[in-house]
Amino acid sequence: GAVVSQHPSWVICKSGTSVKIECRSLDFQATTMFWYRQFPKQSLMLMATSNEGSKATYEQGVEKDKFLINHASLTLSTLTVTSAHPEDSSFYICSARIGTGSFQPQHFGDGTRLSIL
Amino acid sequence: LAKTTQPISMDSYEGQEVNITCSHNNIATNDYITWYQQFPSQGPRFIIQGYKTKVTNEVASLFIPADRKSSTLSLPRVSLSDTAVYYCLVGEGNFNKFYFGSGTKLNVKP
Repeated sequence: GAVVSQHPSWVICKSGTSVKIECRSLDFQATTMFWYRQFPKQSLMLMATSNEGSKATYEQGVEKDKFLINHASLTLSTLTVTSAHPEDSSFYICSARIGTGSFQPQHFGDGTRLSIL
Repeated sequence: LAKTTQPISMDSYEGQEVNITCSHNNIATNDYITWYQQFPSQGPRFIIQGYKTKVTNEVASLFIPADRKSSTLSLPRVSLSDTAVYYCLVGEGNFNKFYFGSGTKLNVKP
């Protein structure tokens, strides 16, 4: 149980392109979804927190106009990297939680490797 | 902000028990402690979660002292496939945020 699917797993595109990444909770309803970014040999960095039907909360230093997050349903959140540039190349990972209590662990997707040429 | 501190790396041999300690001095009263395992190019995988004392499941044990300022993940009889990065994560209570520390790179040798 508690499976999170992330798509695509790998994307390569030209600079200036916008890229959409989907995160789906397959067998549960996710009250909250998180988006992380991870650079090589580094830890995960929280980018934003999204709750279904409301605007995402972005971490300090994360441009909300560049990283558009939509959480339209309890099973789907999307991250759109707008006008991507080479410095946006990274490993993007989503996670989902059932409920909001701190005893609920996050369930992670397998990540999306984004390479901007 | 419940920051966590872990050793950057650890080495072990197959069949040994491995204990990884995480320090979280500023843990809040309602925060739980969760450990994750991450392999290269994959998302983290849940290992175990606890609030106090000891928790055990089929893959690991988690020891939490009474003051809850640290926790120890115990992996019994590790194998080569346990080579990964291990993260401890402390909940942000009512703020519903989680910040990953540096993690511990466990290298299991034959």
